[in-house]
Amino acid sequence: NAGVTQTPKFRILKIGQSMTLQCTQDMNHNYMYWYRQDPGMGLKLIYYSVGAGITDKGEVPNGYNVSRSTTEDFPLRLELAAPSQTSVYFCASSYPDSDSYEQYFGPGTRLTVT
Amino acid sequence: GEDVEQSLFLSVREGDSSVINCTYTDSSSTYLYWYKQEPGAGLQLLTYIFSNMDMKQDQRLTVLLNKKDKHLSLRIADTQTGDSAIYFCAERAGGYQKVTFGIGTKLQVIP
Repeated sequence: NAGVTQTPKFRILKIGQSMTLQCTQDMNHNYMYWYRQDPGMGLKLIYYSVGAGITDKGEVPNGYNVSRSTTEDFPLRLELAAPSQTSVYFCASSYPDSDSYEQYFGPGTRLTVT
Repeated sequence: GEDVEQSLFLSVREGDSSVINCTYTDSSSTYLYWYKQEPGAGLQLLTYIFSNMDMKQDQRLTVLLNKKDKHLSLRIADTQTGDSAIYFCAERAGGYQKVTFGIGTKLQVIP
């Protein structure tokens, strides 16, 4: 299994541009998550999904959108990028029936908005 | 709401024990986790403990949970340079999948 994969690894955006961060998992996990990690701030949940066709907001959803058309894919869309969205973005997945509810993380996408 | 606090930085000498501390506020926490993040990588689960346990040991790792004080610690015995990373404490409350992460403690191991 490849686990959770994210593309791209790095991206520089100009203010006002849009982009989609891709996330795919091959573990057949129902639950998927998007986090952002800012220096000294830990991880903040942006959006999550409990299954295909179902998404919900996390702590910091403003400026982002998600979709979940398949179990495997959970793309994160940034519309009208702003400098405040400069961050490292992590996608994660989990299987609700596991003993630990462990979340499996992708390697991250480092985004800079200038 | 939930809050998880941990110190930012810890430096130890190779071969010594490391103790990373964490406090949390949600008394309904059911699972408490320690995740490890190596440079340029995502988080990886190191160990976890159920809220009805006081201690869990896994090779060089010992997790202690004090529910009364809402305090969690991770002890790494015989710390190696490969243990240098950021360690995140996290809690999960109730049946909901939301996990609250601390800001992470950067462990520096000096050879």
